[in-house]
Amino acid sequence: GAVVSQHPSRVICKSGTSVKIECRSLDFQATTMFWYRQFPKKSLMLMATSNEGSKATYEQGVEKDKFLINHASLTLSTLTVTSAHPEDSSFYICSAEGQGTYEQYFGPGTRLTVT
Amino acid sequence: AQSVTQLDSHVSVSEGTPVLLRCNYSSSYSPSLFWYVQHPNKGLQLLLKYTSAATLVKGINGFEAEFKKSETSFHLTKPSAHMSDAAEYFCVVSAGGGSYIPTFGRGTSLIVHP
Repeated sequence: GAVVSQHPSRVICKSGTSVKIECRSLDFQATTMFWYRQFPKKSLMLMATSNEGSKATYEQGVEKDKFLINHASLTLSTLTVTSAHPEDSSFYICSAEGQGTYEQYFGPGTRLTVT
Repeated sequence: AQSVTQLDSHVSVSEGTPVLLRCNYSSSYSPSLFWYVQHPNKGLQLLLKYTSAATLVKGINGFEAEFKKSETSFHLTKPSAHMSDAAEYFCVVSAGGGSYIPTFGRGTSLIVHP
């Protein structure tokens, strides 16, 4: 089946630094990937839609200069949290859309803690 | 436009009894509907999906859901709950019309008592 990986699974960083999270579709090509943020005991909040070879589409209220998304290939999208603050601490999940299926294949998530 | 409503934030059942997690949706187009399960600190796992084929959909781990267009519902059921079913469940709608961005319900926490 379709597998999506995320790296790292957990990261702790200091306030003011930047952190990059990778999302890879391992056995299929994904022209569209999605990035979500999940707060404790809450649903997933869509942050942005990442399209291969073009700029990401951000949801209202999401700072595009803070959450940089790059989708340079059909199997890799990256989310960079720039100048991280403690309030950026969260569980970040990516998903990749199966071609022609509208089904989302989710990565296992990345737990970011900013100290 | 599309939306999804999970009617219960928490559902509590005893082991061995039936499970019902409710989901209603709205969509301007023929939707695709999904149920995902999330265990603590884990990613999401697809339980089942409806994409305009059979209205009664069978998924993994004994779960099934029925698409009822007249009621705009896609409730998730299981005949007999196991302790391992305790988790967060999300109903997701992904509609057509040129936009397949998924919309998540708020989630239902399933609690299973021994």
